[in-house]
Amino acid sequence: GAVVSQHPSRVICKSGTSVKIECRSLDFQATTMFWYRQFPKQSLMLMATSNEGSKATYEQGVEKDKFLINHASLTLSTLTVTSAHPEDSSFYICSAQPWRNYNEQFFGPGTRLTVL
Amino acid sequence: KNQVEQSPQSLIILEGKNCTLQCNYTVSPFSNLRWYKQDTGRGPVSLTIMTFSENTKSNGRYTATLDADTKQSSLHITASQLSDSASYICVVSLRRFGAGTRLTVKP
Repeated sequence: GAVVSQHPSRVICKSGTSVKIECRSLDFQATTMFWYRQFPKQSLMLMATSNEGSKATYEQGVEKDKFLINHASLTLSTLTVTSAHPEDSSFYICSAQPWRNYNEQFFGPGTRLTVL
Repeated sequence: KNQVEQSPQSLIILEGKNCTLQCNYTVSPFSNLRWYKQDTGRGPVSLTIMTFSENTKSNGRYTATLDADTKQSSLHITASQLSDSASYICVVSLRRFGAGTRLTVKP
């Protein structure tokens, strides 16, 4: 089956630093990847949609300069949290939509970010 | 307004019992409705997907129904197991997520 990986699975950083999270589709090509944030006991909140080779589309209220998204290839998207603050601590999940199969969406296992 | 509402918010049942989770939506346009299972600290895993013309879909002990006229869906879990303890999320048209139902199965 389709597998999406995320790296790292867990990261702790100091306030003010930047953190990069990778999302990879391991056995399929994904023209579209999504990034979500999930706070404890809440559902996923879509942050942005990234299409390979083009700029990401951010949801209302998500700062594009703070959450940098790069989708440089059909199997890799990265989310960089710049100048992280404690309130950015959250569970970040990506998902990938296979090329030519717009009804499918496979999620990664998530990345737990803790900003001290 | 595009919304997805799930009920109950949380549910506790005994192992072996059945349960039904509800999802009501007002999302438009509608393309499909998915039910996901999310274990704590993990990404969601797809259970079922239904398009407009489908009104029921099964995946083992999980059976989802869809009434596109009333915009309601349900997820029925049969003979629950301890491993069914998780959050169950209803997602409409890939973009709209419900808040989820937290299911706890006790021995």
